[in-house]
Amino acid sequence: GIQVEQSPPDLILQEGANSTLRCNFSDSVNNLQWFHQNPWGQLINLFYIPSGTKQNGRLSATTVATERYSLLYISSSQTTDSGVYFCAVATFTGGGNKLTFGTGTQLKVEL
Amino acid sequence: DTGVSQNPRHKITKRGQNVTFRCDPISEHNRLYWYRQTLGQGPEFLTYFQNEAQLEKSRLLSDRFSAERPKGSFSTLEIQRTEQGDSAMYLCASSPSGRPNTEAFFGQGTRLTVV
Repeated sequence: GIQVEQSPPDLILQEGANSTLRCNFSDSVNNLQWFHQNPWGQLINLFYIPSGTKQNGRLSATTVATERYSLLYISSSQTTDSGVYFCAVATFTGGGNKLTFGTGTQLKVEL
Repeated sequence: DTGVSQNPRHKITKRGQNVTFRCDPISEHNRLYWYRQTLGQGPEFLTYFQNEAQLEKSRLLSDRFSAERPKGSFSTLEIQRTEQGDSAMYLCASSPSGRPNTEAFFGQGTRLTVV
């Protein structure tokens, strides 16, 4: 099956700093989503981005499908950005658009 | 619509007992998925339904696990004869099936602890 790798695994930032999270995947995808998992375990949708670039406030994401990677940018980070960020993909050959998740990036934003 | 809803949020059970979880998807979504997440890992796919039909099951889904979606609306996941290794967060998601947008949305999860 498809492999999804995220980097870095852990990241500590000072409030106000910018960061870039990366997601590499091993096959063509028809769905790519970025999630933020809050301390209570809920997965919050950030972006649905199988290709192209999107922006939402301080967050933006870019997926280069032909090169099999996606980037999540966080600007002017805040303590509320802390948590685990997951990239998840679904493939054309996979059934039902089920998602395969990476192992996540654990982000901590400090004052 | 308030999104995907899961009940209960937390469940503590003794080893060997049976447990059942419920998921109510977003009403217009005809696909429903179950995932399991253990500590420090990303969620792993268990099974999915399109309407009431269960179309795929992961090899992670042992014969002690069964899922249903009887009328194509809510779904239940039952674990029989629970084991300590079943302790995990069980997540439900739903999505539309048609292109162009198949974005999945997740519920709050049910955290199972087997003692």
